[in-house]
Amino acid sequence: DIQMTQSPSTLSASVGDRVTITCRASQSFNNWLAWYQQKPGKAPKLLIYKASSLDSGVPSRFSGSGSGTEFTLTISSLQPDDFATYYCQQYHSYWTFGQGTKVEIK
Amino acid sequence: QLQLQESGPGLVKPSETLSLTCTVSGGSISSNNYYWGWIRQPPGKGLEWIGTIYYSGTTYYSPSLKSRVTIYVDTSKNQFSLKLSSVTAADTAVYYCARGESSSPFDYWGQGALVTVSS
Repeated sequence: DIQMTQSPSTLSASVGDRVTITCRASQSFNNWLAWYQQKPGKAPKLLIYKASSLDSGVPSRFSGSGSGTEFTLTISSLQPDDFATYYCQQYHSYWTFGQGTKVEIK
Repeated sequence: QLQLQESGPGLVKPSETLSLTCTVSGGSISSNNYYWGWIRQPPGKGLEWIGTIYYSGTTYYSPSLKSRVTIYVDTSKNQFSLKLSSVTAADTAVYYCARGESSSPFDYWGQGALVTVSS
């Protein structure tokens, strides 16, 4: 099994801040890595697939990068609508989610 | 626009079998290159993949749940279903159904269904 570990678990930030979330895999794989945003009481929303491809309609302030065992999600300028929990997911070998990173208001 | 909707009992007794159905509208469940999955989220916790079924009928299950999980498709009703046997309180969660395309992650999700395991 490929285990995914996200850091940090919680992140306090202000509107306009640049935010980076890291996801580390227990073994190297291709770039089949996705990022989701989830708000309370809602289903996850796909933001990024194949590590760096933006899903349709996702604002360009979101970006993804990385390869091998380390991947990052960056929000270039945090907006009020971005306060949520973010999950990484690998879909190279079965499907595994990270434990989530909650982005809260500072 | 593709839509997925979970349905099933919201309360299941310990040791019994949890059964949920996902109804797909706006697209065919038999379409090539798509897969259909179940993901759950215990209250206040993260997402856990349960299992996936491909259009071909091939299934993949989480190793931690494999002995208790069955996922199957009913093409005549455009639905796919989840059965989880011998449930305990630890299986209390919001259960989501979702769709993905081969070589891509889950892109369409249902709204989720809360299932509580309690006597």
